[in-house]
Amino acid sequence: QSALTQPPSASGSPGQSVTISCTGTSSDVGGYNYVSWYQHHPGKAPKRIIYEVNKRPSGVPDRFSGSKSGNTASLTVSGLQAEDEADYYCSSFADSNRLGVFGGGTKLTVL
Amino acid sequence: QVQVVQSGAEMKKPGASVKLSCKTSGYTFTTYGINWVRQAPGQGLEWMGWISTYHGNTLYTQKFQGRVTMTTDTSTNTAYMELRSLRSDDTAVYYCARGFSWSPDYWGQGTLVTVSS
Repeated sequence: QSALTQPPSASGSPGQSVTISCTGTSSDVGGYNYVSWYQHHPGKAPKRIIYEVNKRPSGVPDRFSGSKSGNTASLTVSGLQAEDEADYYCSSFADSNRLGVFGGGTKLTVL
Repeated sequence: QVQVVQSGAEMKKPGASVKLSCKTSGYTFTTYGINWVRQAPGQGLEWMGWISTYHGNTLYTQKFQGRVTMTTDTSTNTAYMELRSLRSDDTAVYYCARGFSWSPDYWGQGTLVTVSS
C-alpha cells in the first residue's frame, strides 16, 4: 500500500502552534478512526503521542492534539517548546492488508 | 512497567540472513501483538509486519512476503524476526513494538543491521 502523505517539514517559534497534515484514502485514513501519531527523536525509539485520531496516551501533554476530516488527519502542537523538535509520523490502519501504513514523516523545527 | 528490549547490532554480507530478537516484560505477553518496523538511513518508518502472540498468526507487507518470518516464544516472552537474502538496501534500524497491527504503543530501542560486502 502507498504511504500516507505528509509535508516534509514544518516549523514554528516557541509558544506558537503548528499543524501537520496526513493525507490518505478512503481505504485507510478516511475509512477508519485508527490514525496514530508518533514523535521520533533521532537515535531514540518512536513514541506514540496520539491514537484513534484524537486520544492521548497517559503522560503525553495536552499540547498535542489530533483530528480528522475526510481522508486527512492532522496533528496540532500548541505552545511549541524546544523539546518538540523531532520527526513526526502519522499512521493508519489500511484495509488492503490489515496492517498499518506510515506517512513519510515531517521534520518539525522549533525556530 | 512495560519494557521492550532488542538484540544488539548485526553486520551481515549480502545474501545472508539475520534473526533479531525482541524481549518484553511488564505485561502479559499474549495480550498484545508485536510489530516490526524498520528505518533505513535518511528514510522514514516502514512497516514490515505483525504477529499475534496469542495465535501466532502473521501479517506481512507485500514487500517482505517470502523473505521474512516472524515468530514468538511465549515461554520467554520474546519475539523474533528473520530476514533472508539480505541486500545492501536492507541496511536499517529495525524496531519491534508492542500493539495492534496498526498502532504499536511501546517500542524497543532498535537494532542496527548493516549489510555490506
